Amino acid sequence: GAGVSQSPRYKVTKRGQDVALRCDPISGHVSLYWYRQALGQGPEFLTYFNYEAQQDKSGLPNDRFSAERPEGSISTLTIQRTEQRDSAMYRCASSPWTGYEQYFGPGTRLTVT
Amino acid sequence: AQSVTQLGSHVSVSEGALVLLRCNYSSSVPPYLFWYVQYPNQGLQLLLKYTSAATLVKGINGFEAEFKKSETSFHLTKPSAHMSDAAEYFCAVNEGGTSYGKLTFGQGTILTVHP
Repeated sequence: GAGVSQSPRYKVTKRGQDVALRCDPISGHVSLYWYRQALGQGPEFLTYFNYEAQQDKSGLPNDRFSAERPEGSISTLTIQRTEQRDSAMYRCASSPWTGYEQYFGPGTRLTVT
Repeated sequence: AQSVTQLGSHVSVSEGALVLLRCNYSSSVPPYLFWYVQYPNQGLQLLLKYTSAATLVKGINGFEAEFKKSETSFHLTKPSAHMSDAAEYFCAVNEGGTSYGKLTFGQGTILTVHP
């Protein structure tokens, strides 16, 4: 079956612009996660949802970052007023339920110039 | 707070040699542990997981890992390396409880396999 998909795969934006990154989880998966991965580092947790409810947003670095999953399926991670330090790979994952293994998408490479 | 340490950011082996990638974790409770592999321009793929059943866990592509509580370790091994094993490997821990949805990853180990 189809895996986790993310779009766009690559995004270049200018400092100060807003960006929206999309994640389409595996069909039927209840839990959806967002991570950020800097070059040479492991993924770092940002936030996760069960259905449409945001369960934990402790990893969001500041209030410029927000995420939603309004219908319990597709999720959008929005970064407002982007800064160069926001440049990274943003990874989405889903799982049948919280605590099961997480299945990752290919990621969105964000570059802020 | 939990953390994961992968000893050695780069490991190089010859084809056919033993692969050993080290992972140590800190956790106040028995965790769930995972190994993921990342090939270039691809997403993370689950290799294997430990969820408090058997301490020796077998995964895909001939990899296995052993959970050793006394050493707080979860090292990944493969008896004989293949060229196709060249990739970046990440160890991750899920402590559960209030952190149930959160995976904490190590910094990764890049495995190079020489002919």
